[in-house]
Amino acid sequence: EAGVAQSPRYKIIEKRQSVAFWCNPISGHATLYWYQQILGQGPKLLIQFQNNGVVDDSQLPKDRFSAERLKGVDSTLKIQPAKLEDSAVYLCASSLWTDSEAFFGQGTRLTVV
Amino acid sequence: SQKIEQNSEALNIQEGKTATLTCNYTNYSPAYLQWYRQDPGRGPVFLLLIRENEKEKRKERLKVTFDTTLKQSLFHITASQPADSATYLCALDFGNTGKLIFGQGTTLQVKP
Repeated sequence: EAGVAQSPRYKIIEKRQSVAFWCNPISGHATLYWYQQILGQGPKLLIQFQNNGVVDDSQLPKDRFSAERLKGVDSTLKIQPAKLEDSAVYLCASSLWTDSEAFFGQGTRLTVV
Repeated sequence: SQKIEQNSEALNIQEGKTATLTCNYTNYSPAYLQWYRQDPGRGPVFLLLIRENEKEKRKERLKVTFDTTLKQSLFHITASQPADSATYLCALDFGNTGKLIFGQGTTLQVKP
């Protein structure tokens, strides 16, 4: 079974630039998550999708972050404009149901300089 | 708001011993609790899930307990091996919605 695919693996941008991350979840998984993990901390949920719809985006900084899930499958997360404090690993995860185990991708390490 | 605390200090143990990691939370109990393992540069990997009506779950050398009175979960690795060295994260779902709130993780180092 193929895992959760994310790209790019690494990204370095200057502050105020924009960046986008892509995620392809495990086939058949209805729930998709984007997490932000700052060094030394646990992952923090940014947004949760159930199929096409947003279930929770309460911790997404909506003035600069946006996310969409295309046809209930792939998803993109965008930051515009980036700030220095956005430097982190962005993890995508998917699960079959809302109360089952989550499968994580390898993440995208973003450095904002 | 809910707070989740894991030991911030690294846990160093000798190979063959049992490692015990702690996850404490405040306020009301979660619908279920999960434990994940994370290696450097990689995403977390699921290990075990325990629901609020369960006291204990086992999988091979792993055991998780869940005490809603103490508001605590313990994660045990018996007969630990150097390959068990990693960061272990607990994650709680308080509303049974799939929204996982993670602790900060505890780093385990098993020495040969």
